[in-house]
Amino acid sequence: DQQVKQNSPSLSVQEGRISILNCDYTNSMFDYFLWYKKYPAEGPTFLISISSIKDKNEDGRFTVFLNKSAKHLSLHIVPSQPGDSAVYFCAASARETSGSRLTFGEGTQLTVNP
Amino acid sequence: DTGVSQNPRHKITKRGQNVTFRCDPISEHNRLYWYRQTLGQGPEFLTYFQNEAQLEKSRLLSDRFSAERPKGSFSTLEIQRTEQGDSAMYLCASSLSRRSHEQYFGPGTRLTVT
Repeated sequence: DQQVKQNSPSLSVQEGRISILNCDYTNSMFDYFLWYKKYPAEGPTFLISISSIKDKNEDGRFTVFLNKSAKHLSLHIVPSQPGDSAVYFCAASARETSGSRLTFGEGTQLTVNP
Repeated sequence: DTGVSQNPRHKITKRGQNVTFRCDPISEHNRLYWYRQTLGQGPEFLTYFQNEAQLEKSRLLSDRFSAERPKGSFSTLEIQRTEQGDSAMYLCASSLSRRSHEQYFGPGTRLTVT
């Protein structure tokens, strides 16, 4: 069963505009959420995270929003830059029941056009 | 370079052969994780170590798979009697136990079983 789902395989935006990547989860035990970015031929790179006790976390151009009642989180990138073009993975963890394992979504390919 | 390193980067083997991959984590990280990623999917958790102790194994880790971290530093992942379905990218990650959700990934070893 796919406990973390990213329904959009791809997203294309213009440079300078906002990119919004979405993620849904089903496991109510998840209490920590992360976004990773992956370039070809490299491993995923940690980008930003949020604990379930918060609903927003911001780091520069990147903001993650968490809606626990909807079991939904999103990553906003503003302004988008061509260097942001990569695959973005949403990941979740349930500290009490599964230790440190991360459960990943399928990924969304973001393309930022100059 | 003080990131996570993995060797080899690519491995092609014939079905039925044994293969071994190595992961060198970030030196001060006491946790080490193995994930597997297939095309179009996010990474899937296989197992993790805290120091030399293997604390959790996924049901994905069949009895043909074995992982070790003998001195709490580098780790090896061995696959015996490889099958075509083992073809995937094998990713290693490391973290500090007090920040276990923020896992830093290596570039991966791409295994192709012919």
